[in-house]
This record gives sequence, structure tokens and C-alpha cells, in this order.
Amino acid sequence: QVQLVQSGAEVKQPGASVKVSCKASGYTFTSYGFSWVRQAPGQGLEWVGWISTYNGDTNYAQKLQGRVTMTTDTSTSTAYMELRSLRSDDTAVYYCARDPPGDPPDYWGQGTLVTVSS
Amino acid sequence: DIQMTQSPSSLSASVGDRVTITCRASQGISNYLAWYQQKPGKVPKLLIYAASTLQSGVPSRFSGSGSGTDFTLTINSLQPEDVATYYCHKYNSAPLTFGGGTKVEIK
Repeated sequence: QVQLVQSGAEVKQPGASVKVSCKASGYTFTSYGFSWVRQAPGQGLEWVGWISTYNGDTNYAQKLQGRVTMTTDTSTSTAYMELRSLRSDDTAVYYCARDPPGDPPDYWGQGTLVTVSS
Repeated sequence: DIQMTQSPSSLSASVGDRVTITCRASQGISNYLAWYQQKPGKVPKLLIYAASTLQSGVPSRFSGSGSGTDFTLTINSLQPEDVATYYCHKYNSAPLTFGGGTKVEIK
């Protein structure tokens, strides 16, 4: 069965960086991309970006351009999302989601809470 | 960028009622529209994609319609387990965008 297992909660100081991992199993890793979506406390869903596991192409939300980097490691079937220069408004649950070609994300990870606080 | 506007932002209905949620895109997106359900404290769940295709395992009381700029999610015969926030999501091209959400409660 398809599973996406994310890394644990993080607490970071403003200005620091965080790297969240998402380990996939139960399907052919390189046949699907990954979307990353975040949700601030009590707020709605916000698209962070997308990465192709086939060729590494990425597409990031404009507001995060320059601070976010998505990568994948096909040898371990793991996707990563790194966010730098953290601010308090980056506090959110970050989700990875499997992204079928031409279709919306179908399977989601359990979410990783990133808290930015001094 | 294309904006997705959902309405209403919240609603309260009785068990057995028919509930309708609308989503409007600021530009045409053909049928590249999905609906997600998020229960409190849970991960979003895909209900409908391609505007009207029910994801496997989703109860048939859920249905979607629309194309272009105007879309609808309908819950026929609302059940207590349908209490959740529902989000529309356009996925035709980046940036991918979610609507603001509609919180559904039982009256």
C-alpha cells in the first residue's frame, strides 16, 4: 500500500533553516512527482511547490522563491523540502503529497509541524 | 495567478440535508479541479478530481460538477461523519492553488 512517512516535528529559531523528509513506499517512486503543501495553525491549505522525481524539475510558490529548495533521492525513495531564513509566519504543518501526472495529489504524508519561535 | 474563491466559508446543516459548496476560478481552468475533505486534526483526503470524478472509496453521496470557472461540490444526505472543512484545488498549471475552505457543521 502507498505510504508517505514524514520526519518529526521541528522547532527552529527565526533565521534558521529546516529540512523535512518524506519517505515513500508501496509504489514506483519515479512515476509520480511530489507536491508540498503547508497549513498554518487554524488556516487553510497553501501550496508550497512541486518536484518531478523523474528529472528533478521544480516549481515553487512565488512568495517562497529563493528560500525553498525541493530535492529527491531516488536511491532511498525520499523527497525533501528545505526552507531557509525561517520567519514566524512559516510556522505550519508541512505536508508532502504524491502527485500523479495530470492529476491532483492523491496520497499525503502525516504532516510535519515546523514551529519558528525565539 | 489564478485565484480560487469558495463560498460559503462555513455552513450548518441538518443530517440528511443536501449541501452545496461552490468554487469559482478567476480564469478558466477547464476541468482541472479537485475537492479535498479535511477532518479536524487529520490529513486532507482527495474526494473528487477532474471536477466530477469520484476518487476510489469515496461515498456516492459526494458529487462534483462544473467546468471552466464555476464548480460545485454536493453532499447528498449529509452525515455526521461529513463534518469537515472542504477545499477546492486547481491543478492545471503552477502555481497550484487552493480555495479558502468551507467548514461544514451539523445543525
